[in-house]
Amino acid sequence: EAGVVQSPRYKIIEKKQPVAFWCNPISGHNTLYWYRQNLGQGPELLIRYENEEAVDDSQLPKDRFSAERLKGVDSTLKIQPAELGDSAVYLCASSPDRGQGYTFGSGTRLTVV
Amino acid sequence: EDQVTQSPEALRLQEGESSSLNCSYTVSGLRGLFWYRQDPGKGPEFLFTLYSAGEEKEKERLKATLTKKESFLHITAPKPEDSATYLCAVGDSNYQLIWGAGTKLIIKP
Repeated sequence: EAGVVQSPRYKIIEKKQPVAFWCNPISGHNTLYWYRQNLGQGPELLIRYENEEAVDDSQLPKDRFSAERLKGVDSTLKIQPAELGDSAVYLCASSPDRGQGYTFGSGTRLTVV
Repeated sequence: EDQVTQSPEALRLQEGESSSLNCSYTVSGLRGLFWYRQDPGKGPEFLFTLYSAGEEKEKERLKATLTKKESFLHITAPKPEDSATYLCAVGDSNYQLIWGAGTKLIIKP
């Protein structure tokens, strides 16, 4: 079975530019998560989807971050404009249902210069 | 406040030297305690879920245990390929995961 697929793997952009990340979860997984992970820290939840509905986006900086999950499958996370402090690894994860173990993708390492 | 604390931050062991990693937690309405392994440049890889005090799970050289306040990840006779960062997370009453900062484990041959 294919795992959680994320692209791109790496992205370097100048500050104030936009950037987008894409995630394809495991087939049949209803719950999708976007996390941000800084070096030496655990993942920080940005947004959780149950099918196509965003059920927890309290940690998403909505002034510059947006996300969507059309048709309850693939998801994109966008930052516009990016700031230096956004440099991190952005991880996507999915699970069959909430409360169950997640499967993570390999992440996108974003560097804002 | 819900919180997860992992210790030590880093652990260096010789190959074959058994040890334990600790995950202490405070959470209202535990909905599972999760252990993950993370290799450099990769996303966390799921290892175990524990749901109630007294529960234990094993996988190869790893054994996870759970009490009402903490979990231990015991590593028996580790090998260099066990080197990684081990992350602990707890699910709260809203099924949101609260993550620890991880323990970086280095096994020297």
